[in-house]
Amino acid sequence: AQKVTQAQTEISVVEKEDVTLDCVYETRDTTYYLFWYKQPPSGELVFLIRRNSFDEQNEISGRYSWNFQKSTSSFNFTITASQVVDSAVYFCALSEDPNFGNEKLTFGTGTRLTIIP
Amino acid sequence: DGGITQSPKYLFRKEGQNVTLSCEQNLNHDAMYWYRQDPGQGLRLIYYSQIVNDFQKGDIAEGYSVSREKKESFPLTVTSAQKNPTAFYLCASSIGNRVNTEAFFGQGTRLTVV
Repeated sequence: AQKVTQAQTEISVVEKEDVTLDCVYETRDTTYYLFWYKQPPSGELVFLIRRNSFDEQNEISGRYSWNFQKSTSSFNFTITASQVVDSAVYFCALSEDPNFGNEKLTFGTGTRLTIIP
Repeated sequence: DGGITQSPKYLFRKEGQNVTLSCEQNLNHDAMYWYRQDPGQGLRLIYYSQIVNDFQKGDIAEGYSVSREKKESFPLTVTSAQKNPTAFYLCASSIGNRVNTEAFFGQGTRLTVV
């Protein structure tokens, strides 16, 4: 069975500091997808990234970067030069079956990130 | 603007009453989903629908019911059989039923049983 662990329940950093959110996953499949979503105080989840298991290249999007390491089953998310608007709950998610849709997503318990001005 | 609209934002229910949560999307998406979020837990799937007039149970469907009579609408009814209904409910949609399609979420309905 698939599982996603976000061990960091809450993190607080001072604005402009860098912060890394950890995500460790478990799966028996060789083909799977990993996701990160952001949930701001308004409530909706906002899609940030999707990565398939065959693409281990790290990705950078502005201040956001993702480090995918199959050897340690981790898909960590780093925010560089954090801003107050980054304050949110961040969810990591996993889907084992590419032939199905989002009904096969398993979410982690989320990490609440607070950026202190 | 295109998106997903959930209403109401806050809902209070007396024990023993059924209540219906609304979810409407104007994104022309085929697939729609209902999730439940509890404090300190990830999202859990209640029901999903890949096409009009068809829907499937998710991981925690007991005590809930849905309908999909129109492509843009996927209401969720929380019945009196749901033993612990107080939670935050999120509706989502995606273009199709494959995992490589991004899901779009509404802003949620917070249900409280009083």
